[in-house]
Amino acid sequence: SYELTQPLSVSVALGQTARITCGGNNIGSKNVHWYQQKPGQAPVLVIYRDSNRPSGIPERFSGSNSGNTATLTISRAQAGDEADYYCQVWDSSNVVFGGGTKLTVL
Amino acid sequence: EVQLVQSGAEVKKPGESLRISCKGSGYSFTSYWISWVRQMPGKGLEWMGRIDPSDSYTNYSPSFQGHVTISADKSISTAYLQWSSLKASDTAMYYCARLQQLAIDYWGQGTLVTVSS
Repeated sequence: SYELTQPLSVSVALGQTARITCGGNNIGSKNVHWYQQKPGQAPVLVIYRDSNRPSGIPERFSGSNSGNTATLTISRAQAGDEADYYCQVWDSSNVVFGGGTKLTVL
Repeated sequence: EVQLVQSGAEVKKPGESLRISCKGSGYSFTSYWISWVRQMPGKGLEWMGRIDPSDSYTNYSPSFQGHVTISADKSISTAYLQWSSLKASDTAMYYCARLQQLAIDYWGQGTLVTVSS
């Protein structure tokens, strides 16, 4: 089965740029989606199909996908961006999630 | 406004059966697949399976095949997740979610299931 690998944690200084990676075999050939989950809340879609932002998601959130790595980039990080982030693809008729990355804003 | 409203928290004993629900509103319920996602305490998201409400076709993650049943009643825009015999390891938050072009664009608020003797 297809696997997605994310770092357990990423730290970023307030106002700086955070990058969260999602690794998978030839992931560049798939559509990657990203979700933000804050404590006690349901996840929220922040990036779909590699680099598209749903309405209401700040432009500070962007995504890219090439080769074996997809990346979620959060520019000008704010305290409110502190959350768990999950990547997701569709593979062999299954939704596949990455293990999740805890973003800490220092 | 698209909404997925789930049934309330449940406390059950091992071996008991359970069905939780997810009611969709604000959109054409039969036009989008519904998925169920498990989140065990302190852990990540796990996809359980999905249903096409228009014809009730389902497919399950291999990890959950045979352990749960996903169904839907399109006449009342409601999807279900059920267990015939709960285990303590089924204790988790369960989310229903709408699939749009293979991404999840809307999530329910979650249903906490606690299984304890």
